[in-house]
Amino acid sequence: KNQVEQSPQSLIILEGKNCTLQCNYTVSPFSNLRWYKQDTGRGPVSLTIMTFSENTKSNRRYTATLDADTKQSSLHITASQLSDSASYICVVSAHGGSQGNLIFGKGTKLSVKP
Amino acid sequence: NAGVTQTPKFQVLKTGQSMTLQCAQDMNHEYMSWYRQDPGMGLRLIHYSVGAGITDQGEVPNGYNVSRSTTEDFPLRLLSAAPSQTSVYFCASRSNRRRGGYNEQFFGPGTRLTVL
Repeated sequence: KNQVEQSPQSLIILEGKNCTLQCNYTVSPFSNLRWYKQDTGRGPVSLTIMTFSENTKSNRRYTATLDADTKQSSLHITASQLSDSASYICVVSAHGGSQGNLIFGKGTKLSVKP
Repeated sequence: NAGVTQTPKFQVLKTGQSMTLQCAQDMNHEYMSWYRQDPGMGLRLIHYSVGAGITDQGEVPNGYNVSRSTTEDFPLRLLSAAPSQTSVYFCASRSNRRRGGYNEQFFGPGTRLTVL
């Protein structure tokens, strides 16, 4: 069964610190992996999308890694800011093109404290 | 571009009432979809459409109807609301044309529905 597992479920860090969020998946055949940021009361917004051939991708202070062999991805946030407080959702797309081929993780809730 | 818009933002219904959640996009995207988000669970697909006149069921379609008469609009209908349908509903759209091997999905701001 296609699944996406995220850890930790929640995380509290101090402003300015770094953190890493994990995503493990068992989706096959793999097409791409996406990280979304969801602020409270808002819709998810795409941070990065990675295909099979991409190992690392950065978007400002966010760096995503992908290991297609171990089926693991991480999202590293550098020098966290209060505005980074949000839920981060990992989504894996399976080949086929159908909308039903997007498998969502439950998300990691990050709280950045001053 | 306004992107993906949803109305209403909040709604309270009584059990048995019907209503329509509206979704519109101005990006000329072929794919549109409806998700529900419940605490402790990932987004779950309700219905989706790959183009005007074409719809299909997702993971949790029971109690919901959709239609796609235009490219821009994809309304979600609750026929007889039940407390189990209390949730936050998100509409999303994406193009079927891939850039760099993928096509980005855009989400609306959500509709928070409470069924009493």
